[in-house]
Amino acid sequence: SSELTQDPAVSVALGQTVRITCQGDSLRSYYASWYQQKPGQAPVLVIYGENNRPSGIPDRFSGSSSGNTASLTITGAQAEDEADYYCISRDSSGNHLVVFGGGTKLTVL
Amino acid sequence: QVQLQESGPGLVKPSGTLSLTCAVSGGSISSSNWWSWVRQPPGKGLEWIGEIYHSGSTNYNPSLKSRVTISVDKSKNQFSLKLSSVTAADTAVYYCARGIYYSGTYYMDVWGKGTTVTVSS
Repeated sequence: SSELTQDPAVSVALGQTVRITCQGDSLRSYYASWYQQKPGQAPVLVIYGENNRPSGIPDRFSGSSSGNTASLTITGAQAEDEADYYCISRDSSGNHLVVFGGGTKLTVL
Repeated sequence: QVQLQESGPGLVKPSGTLSLTCAVSGGSISSSNWWSWVRQPPGKGLEWIGEIYHSGSTNYNPSLKSRVTISVDKSKNQFSLKLSSVTAADTAVYYCARGIYYSGTYYMDVWGKGTTVTVSS
């Protein structure tokens, strides 16, 4: 399958923990990578592989995967984490495609 | 570190061809990476357009495949996008990105800042 499904919107109280999920058949074969995008800015990689953070990404961001679902967890959400989050993977059906989730708008209350 | 910079016309006429270039600096386009184009229509999500390897091998989004050509110029350390027969639906911010691909893992670790392309007469 070449689709990744994300909830359109999620909210979290300041300082609380939030999980953003991404579902798709390709996630049984590939890890999802996660991107944060703030208005008017390019996406920024926050999680890749099993659970890896690029340099400069706070350790409150973590990733996990089970079956066809990948999750991005923010532990102790901050106001600056309010953004759109996208998951990306490769298609696993042999078509050599890159697949994107539709994005989740995270609101920090 | 590697940086990417998109360039090209900001305005394209309907039925025309959109042409963009992504200049790679701080690294070689001949490294073992896939180089992608991604776009984002106003107020909408990200859409993958296609990718190229330095060998010239390409993969395209099936929904755009008939109109898209991605090429690489190793001498200039850049890659390019051509999208033909454009309509207003092709109005978007266009990003180039570097893709890292190995066993069971894929991610885009470097992105350009994006360039806005408007299709209008």
